[in-house]
Amino acid sequence: EVQLVESGGGLVQPGGSLRLSCEASGFTFSSIWMHWVRQAPGKGLMWVARIHYDGSSTSYAESVKGRFTISRDNAKSTLYLQMSSLRADDTAIYYCARAGFDYWGQGILVTVSS
Amino acid sequence: DVVMTQSPLSLPVTLGQPASISCRSSQSLVHSDVNSYLNWFQQRPGQSPRRLIYQVSNRDSGVPDRFSGSGSGTDFTLKISRVEAEDVGVYYCMQARNWPPMYTFGQGTKLEIK
Repeated sequence: EVQLVESGGGLVQPGGSLRLSCEASGFTFSSIWMHWVRQAPGKGLMWVARIHYDGSSTSYAESVKGRFTISRDNAKSTLYLQMSSLRADDTAIYYCARAGFDYWGQGILVTVSS
Repeated sequence: DVVMTQSPLSLPVTLGQPASISCRSSQSLVHSDVNSYLNWFQQRPGQSPRRLIYQVSNRDSGVPDRFSGSGSGTDFTLKISRVEAEDVGVYYCMQARNWPPMYTFGQGTKLEIK
């Protein structure tokens, strides 16, 4: 059974940093591109970033480029999102998802507030 | 950038009646490989998104056959032949472009029981 479990969310001050993790199981993680998608409270879905299965290529939404870094550790079957220079409008539930968006994690809340 | 526009944004439906959601893209979604990467997702209250339909009309495993997707070019439709109580939630269309990478969601359509 495919499972994606996010962790690392919480409350952070504006300008601060946070690292999210997504632990994968039930499939060959090292063969699959992965994504992060976020959803601001009461709002719609927004794609954030994606990473090639071997980590060699990454892409970002314009709104997070230069501030967020997606990475992965295939030995640990874990996807990461390093977020820095956080702003209030980064407040959202962050989901990890497999390529094709066929499986999603349960999401983790990140709140940016002073 | 590709903009995805859904209508209606709110959809009250009587149990057992059909429902239809439109999704229009600002550009043709036909890729060089002839496929159109248009997905439909369901997000029930308090849950993660779930993919229902991929590449316009392919139903995911476990999705009831009352859900169907159709369309081409810039106009796409999700239909529910007979709405059931468990269908309550928000439905999103999403286009995927591999290069340059872009994944764009529609605003979402909230389906409720009348």
